[in-house]
Amino acid sequence: AQSVAQPEDQVNVAEGNPLTVKCTYSVSGNPYLFWYVQYPNRGLQFLLKYITGDNLVKGSYGFEAEFNKSQTSFHLKKPSALVSDSALYFCAVRDPTGGFKTIFGAGTRLFVKA
Amino acid sequence: ETGVTQTPRHLVMGMTNKKSLKCEQHLGHNAMYWYKQSAKKPLELMFVYSLEERVENNSVPSRFSPECPNSSHLFLHLHTLQPEDSALYLCASSQSPGQMNTEAFFGQGTRLTVV
Repeated sequence: AQSVAQPEDQVNVAEGNPLTVKCTYSVSGNPYLFWYVQYPNRGLQFLLKYITGDNLVKGSYGFEAEFNKSQTSFHLKKPSALVSDSALYFCAVRDPTGGFKTIFGAGTRLFVKA
Repeated sequence: ETGVTQTPRHLVMGMTNKKSLKCEQHLGHNAMYWYKQSAKKPLELMFVYSLEERVENNSVPSRFSPECPNSSHLFLHLHTLQPEDSALYLCASSQSPGQMNTEAFFGQGTRLTVV
């Protein structure tokens, strides 16, 4: 069965510092991996995805994520955090052999302090 | 705006009421989804529709009844709900669930409170 874990409920970082939001996954086959962001009172917005190819994926708003197959991880990163990056971040995984399901993590709340 | 619109944004209902949530997408997608978002829990996939046919039903109680009259509209009919059903209900769409590498587009959600 596929699953995804976001080990941190909350990440705090100062503006201008690099940020990392962690995600690990478990699937039986080669995964499709996604990151979404949710701002207050809004739905989820797509940030980036890994399907195949280069392990470093670049997405919206300066975010990037690195796929690490040996560690089954897909951590979200940004070189320099902005206060406006404060939001709830969700990692999601889809097993291409697993039908229609996309499994989401519980989310990590990012606080960026000025 | 993401192209997926949900109404109402907020809903308070009693346990004996019947109400419906509405979702509309203007993206030309073929697949639509209902998710339940509760605090500090992973998003729960409730239903998936592909080309107006239900293709996934994740053991959701029968007090939740989905309807997909066409590929642009999705409803969630609610009756005799319980207080633990209070949550944010999110609608999403994608090009097709068969295209596994496509991302989903979400509406803003309906905040449901059952009293």
